[in-house]
Amino acid sequence: DAGVIQSPRHEVTEMGQEVTLRCKPISGHNSLFWYRQTMMRGLELLIYFNNNVPIDDSGMPEDRFSAKMPNASFSTLKIQPSEPRDSAVYFCASSSTGGPYQPQHFGDGTRLSIL
Amino acid sequence: DQQVKQNSPSLSVQEGRISILNCDYTNSMFDYFLWYKKYPAEGPTFLISISSIKDKNEDGRFTVFLNKSAKHLSLHIVPSQPGDSAVYFCAASAGGGNNDMRFGAGTRLTVKP
Repeated sequence: DAGVIQSPRHEVTEMGQEVTLRCKPISGHNSLFWYRQTMMRGLELLIYFNNNVPIDDSGMPEDRFSAKMPNASFSTLKIQPSEPRDSAVYFCASSSTGGPYQPQHFGDGTRLSIL
Repeated sequence: DQQVKQNSPSLSVQEGRISILNCDYTNSMFDYFLWYKKYPAEGPTFLISISSIKDKNEDGRFTVFLNKSAKHLSLHIVPSQPGDSAVYFCAASAGGGNNDMRFGAGTRLTVKP
């Protein structure tokens, strides 16, 4: 059974470039979450979607960050323009809201380095 | 504002002994708590959870204890094994059907053979 799939696994780019991270959630899951992991702050929730609709984007650091979920099987997180302080590991997770308290299932992350 | 705090960034224990990882939270609306385990270059994986209506949940070598009055939970691993060496994240949710969770910064556990 396929888990959450993220691409690319690693991204190295220069400051000012546009970066797009991709996520395919587990089939049948209707909630999708984007997190950023840093040494200082651990796992920070950036944004999450229910049934493809953004519910809470209060964790998005600034307007340079945007996320979309055009359909139930695909989501993107875009940074434009990128800055060195955006360097981190970005995780996507999905879960089912068919019942209460469903654990989130994580992808293996995208390690982003902005030079 | 860190609503979930793991104040110990690291913990080292001997194989066979007990590992105790701690977590504190500030939001009294949290009613469901989870522990995730993370190996390098992989995403976190769900380990064990507890609802606020309970004070203990056990799954094999792993037990989670919840003290609601102190807003504190802990994960006990007995006996600890070298394969348990990983980063452990505590997470909390206020429910409401959205499964929105807040995570702590993680504790790196090292189990020495």
